[in-house]
Amino acid sequence: EPEVTQTPSHQVTQMGQEVILRCVPISNHLYFYWYRQILGQKVEFLVSFYNNEISEKSEIFDDQFSVERPDGSNFTLKIRSTKLEDSAMYFCASSKTNNIQYFGAGTRLSVL
Amino acid sequence: GEDVEQSLFLSVREGDSSVINCTYTDSSSTYLYWYKQEPGAGLQLLTYIFSNMDMKQDQRLTVLLNKKDKHLSLRIADTQTGDSAIYFCAESSGGGFKTIFGAGTRLFVKA
Repeated sequence: EPEVTQTPSHQVTQMGQEVILRCVPISNHLYFYWYRQILGQKVEFLVSFYNNEISEKSEIFDDQFSVERPDGSNFTLKIRSTKLEDSAMYFCASSKTNNIQYFGAGTRLSVL
Repeated sequence: GEDVEQSLFLSVREGDSSVINCTYTDSSSTYLYWYKQEPGAGLQLLTYIFSNMDMKQDQRLTVLLNKKDKHLSLRIADTQTGDSAIYFCAESSGGGFKTIFGAGTRLFVKA
């Protein structure tokens, strides 16, 4: 069964460093998303991406964040200068239409 | 804004039925979902229901939707220890790109 894959599973970084979280969405999907889940809190929407541009973004997705689909298979989330409060589990999702989303296993980001 | 609420804990005995409840506020919700998250794992889509349906059954899972009361429930028949996990209720509205999640209900299954 096709699945969304995310790498790495755990990323440790120093505050102020840039990180790139990588995702390979399901191959025939057209919509891509990033969510995050701070430990013990709700899963929060960050951004959606369709047709090579951002469709919607939340207040959390400020200038420190960017997304890119550098080739036909990868979808990345970049955090330019990480803060302690960026520590969370980051989930990538994809969907064929803009509704039923399938999620990856997540990348745990730890900012020290 | 949109919100999804669900109770935080549920404990059942193995073999009993589990019912996890959820309420949502967005009257334009088009799809409602149940996701399962096991410890250290991602969000597994268990089932979903379109807003013009009242009920959906899929093996041991039954989803009931009361659109008037904006209430969604997930019934797991013959609950097993392997069903122990966090269950997230979620919704999305037509034309929208984001899915709104509840805080999750942690299901404990006692042997």
